[in-house]
Amino acid sequence: SQQGEEDPQALSIQEGENATMNCSYKTSINNLQWYRQNSGRGLVHLILIRSNEREKHSGRLRVTLDTSKKSSSLLITASRAADTASYFCATGKSGGYQKVTFGIGTKLQVIP
Amino acid sequence: ETGVTQTPRHLVMGMTNKKSLKCEQHLGHNAMYWYKQSAKKPLELMFVYNFKEQTENNSVPSRFSPECPNSSHLFLHLHTLQPEDSALYLCASSQGLAGATSDTQYFGPGTRLTVL
Repeated sequence: SQQGEEDPQALSIQEGENATMNCSYKTSINNLQWYRQNSGRGLVHLILIRSNEREKHSGRLRVTLDTSKKSSSLLITASRAADTASYFCATGKSGGYQKVTFGIGTKLQVIP
Repeated sequence: ETGVTQTPRHLVMGMTNKKSLKCEQHLGHNAMYWYKQSAKKPLELMFVYNFKEQTENNSVPSRFSPECPNSSHLFLHLHTLQPEDSALYLCASSQGLAGATSDTQYFGPGTRLTVL
């Protein structure tokens, strides 16, 4: 299975600190995406990184991808209480229309 | 708002009821998806439609019956459900264009289903 597995499953930090979440997967991928989900809501796409990219930034988000280790990390800098949510990585095996596989997610709590 | 709406947002039904979940996307996408999200389990892909054709049925029990009348609408018809079917059902859509290098999915807010 190419399913991504996030680590840790839960993370609690103080506002202003950085939060790092990791994702590991098993098979080769075309791209990896990170999504955020607020409690009981739909998932919101955060960032996509392609297999030929190593690092990508979007605002306070930084994503890295190491295809040799089959792993990715999501760093949220200067966290805010509003960042409290579950974060999922999703791996896509091919471009275009594709089946993506989601992990269980990391539940992040940012304490004000 | 992501441009994907789902109704109803909450649904409670008995095991003998028949109900339907509705999803509508206003993004001009060609692919639509149904996912099931249960507590402490990965998001489970149930069905995929691309250009109104079902392209994926992830071994979903027949008590779940999808319908995609056009690229903007997706339904999930429910009948004779079990209590373990209680979950958050999420709809998503994506451009779904062959040859594209990536395909981001946009999710609706979900329907919280409780089966008594």
